[in-house]
Amino acid sequence: AQSVAQPEDQVNVAEGNPLTVKCTYSVSGNPYLFWYAQYPNRGLQFLLKYITGDNLVKGSYGFEAEFNKSQTSFHLKKPSALVSDSAWYFCAVMGRRALTFGSGTRLQVQP
Amino acid sequence: KAGVTQTPRYLIKTRGQQVTLSCSPISGHRSVSWYQQTPGQGLQFLFEYFSETQRNKGNFPGRFSGRQFSNSRSEMNVSTLELGDSALYLCASSPSSGAGGEAFFGQGTRLTVV
Repeated sequence: AQSVAQPEDQVNVAEGNPLTVKCTYSVSGNPYLFWYAQYPNRGLQFLLKYITGDNLVKGSYGFEAEFNKSQTSFHLKKPSALVSDSAWYFCAVMGRRALTFGSGTRLQVQP
Repeated sequence: KAGVTQTPRYLIKTRGQQVTLSCSPISGHRSVSWYQQTPGQGLQFLFEYFSETQRNKGNFPGRFSGRQFSNSRSEMNVSTLELGDSALYLCASSPSSGAGGEAFFGQGTRLTVV
C-alpha cells in the first residue's frame, strides 16, 4: 500500500525567504505524486504533480517540487514566500484511482 | 470554465438522520471522487465513480454510499448519521479515471451532526 508522510505539522517562514515543505513517500512501483494547497474555507487547490521526467517540477503560484528517488522525497519549495502563501499544504500519492494524502503541513508566512 | 460545485455548503443534521450531498464536476470530466476530511483522520478516500460505475471504494461502512448520473453529476448519501460523521466532504473531478491525472476539488460541504 502506498503512503506519504509530512514530518512537520507547521512551518514558519518570513516573507521573502525561501520555503520548503517536506514530504516522503512509500510506494511500490513508480510514484505519481501531487501537492495541494488548502486555504481557509476553501477546497484543495492543485499545485503540481510528478509523473515522470525531470526531477524538478514547476507548478502554480511559483511553487516547485523536487523529486528524489533515492531519498523517496518530494519536497515543495518556493524561492520567495508571500504572506498569501499561508495555508495548509498536502502531499499526496495516487494509488489505484484514489489519492492518499499526508497529514498536512500548516505554512505560516510572517510579514 | 466553471469549477467543481458542491451543494449545500453547510449542513446541520441530527444523529440518526440521513443526508445527501451533491457534486457537479467540471464540464467534460467523467470521474468524480469523494473524500472526507476531519481533524483527527485527515483526508480519507470514500469512493470514485466513472461513467456511472463505482470504480473504487475506501474503508468506510456501508452507511456511506454514492451514485453518478449520466451527466456525471454525483451524489453521496450517508444514512443513520453518527456524531463522528461530522466532517468536510470534498468532491473532486478528473477528466479520466486512473493514475496520473490531477483532481480538481470543490469547496466542500461542511456537515455537522448534533
